[in-house]
Amino acid sequence: GQNIDQPTEMTATEGAIVQINCTYQTSGFNGLFWYQQHAGEAPTFLSYNVLDGLEEKGRFSSFLSRSKGYSYLLLKELQMKDSASYLCAVKMSNYQLIWGAGTKLIIKP
Amino acid sequence: IAGITQAPTSQILAAGRRMTLRCTQDMRHNAMYWYRQDLGLGLRLIHYSNTAGTTGKGEVPDGYSVSRANTDDFPLTLASAVPSQTSVYFCASSEGSEHNEQFFGPGTRLTVL
Repeated sequence: GQNIDQPTEMTATEGAIVQINCTYQTSGFNGLFWYQQHAGEAPTFLSYNVLDGLEEKGRFSSFLSRSKGYSYLLLKELQMKDSASYLCAVKMSNYQLIWGAGTKLIIKP
Repeated sequence: IAGITQAPTSQILAAGRRMTLRCTQDMRHNAMYWYRQDLGLGLRLIHYSNTAGTTGKGEVPDGYSVSRANTDDFPLTLASAVPSQTSVYFCASSEGSEHNEQFFGPGTRLTVL
């Protein structure tokens, strides 16, 4: 079976840095996505990693280690608007996505 | 440009009724998807279409059917709704099945009583 694990909820302070981890055990792998989803809204694309290493995009960075089945999303200089759920998804060999349950990030002033 | 639109926004439905959720995209994307999202679970793929005229089953297809008569529209039909189909339904599209980013519609919140 396919398995993707993320923490259910995390809390961080405005202006700080937070790292959201994702571990996966899947029968195939064609890349890993991170999406952001505000409450009551649709998911929106944040990042895509297919090779090992760190991809930086502004305040957000995403890291992948394929040998460890591990990824993280790093959010810097946290803002209140970053309060949302962060979804990790693995693209399988058939190009379909398997999704984690998401991590709800709460930002406190 | 609207991107992806879904209708209705929300619906309360009696069990046993037939219901079609509508999805339209104006990005000329080849691939389209239907997901359901339930509390505590990840998005689960119901059906997908890699191109107009073709459809495929996802992870949880039972009780649902789809059609893809043209590039823009991808309706999802519940032939006889059951309470376990209460969920938020998201339609998504991508340039192609192999392409990276999926764009999501605003979702339909469906309650089956």
